[in-house]
Amino acid sequence: GAVVSQHPSRVICKSGTSVKIECRSLDFQATTMFWYRQFPKKSLMLMATSNEGSKATYEQGVEKDKFLINHASLTLSTLTVTSAHPEDSSFYICSARDPLAVTYEQYFGPGTRLTVT
Amino acid sequence: AQKVTQAQTEISVVEKEDVTLDCVYETRDTTYYLFWYKQPPSGELVFLIRRNSFDEQNEISGRYSWNFQKSTSSFNFTITASQVVDSAVYFCALSEAFGDSGAGSYQLTFGKGTKLSVIP
Repeated sequence: GAVVSQHPSRVICKSGTSVKIECRSLDFQATTMFWYRQFPKKSLMLMATSNEGSKATYEQGVEKDKFLINHASLTLSTLTVTSAHPEDSSFYICSARDPLAVTYEQYFGPGTRLTVT
Repeated sequence: AQKVTQAQTEISVVEKEDVTLDCVYETRDTTYYLFWYKQPPSGELVFLIRRNSFDEQNEISGRYSWNFQKSTSSFNFTITASQVVDSAVYFCALSEAFGDSGAGSYQLTFGKGTKLSVIP
């Protein structure tokens, strides 16, 4: 089956620093990847849709300059949290869609837990 | 715009009891997919089932079963003979063919989730 990996799985950083999270589709080429954010005991909220070779589409209320998304290849999308603050601490999950799949299924990565101290 | 409602925030059952998790959705599209995911404490989303809007046939997979009723816009999930390992947060999600972002957006809208605790 389709596998999506995320790295790192857990990261702790100091306030004011930037952290990059990688999302990779391991056995298929993903033209579209999605980034979600999940606060404790809350649902997943879509942050942005990332299309290979073009700018990401951000959801309303998501700061583009703070959450930089790059989808430079068909198997890799990155989310960079710039100048992180404690309120950015959250669980970030990416997903990827296989364009060859006949369904609308998204394959999810295992998530990255970010803690900003 | 699409919406998914999981009215049950938390449910506790004793092991071996049956439990049904409710999911009600709203969409203007005629073509859409519905999903259920399990999220154990580790955080990783586990795919359980996918259903398209043209297939109302109920499905059973082991102890899991799903009841899809377009007339009531519901896609309920039942676990029979629950086990402690079933304890997790369960999310219902909807993906429209077109949606607000245009054709082929494939965006998933999640419900708020239902936390299921199975007590031994």
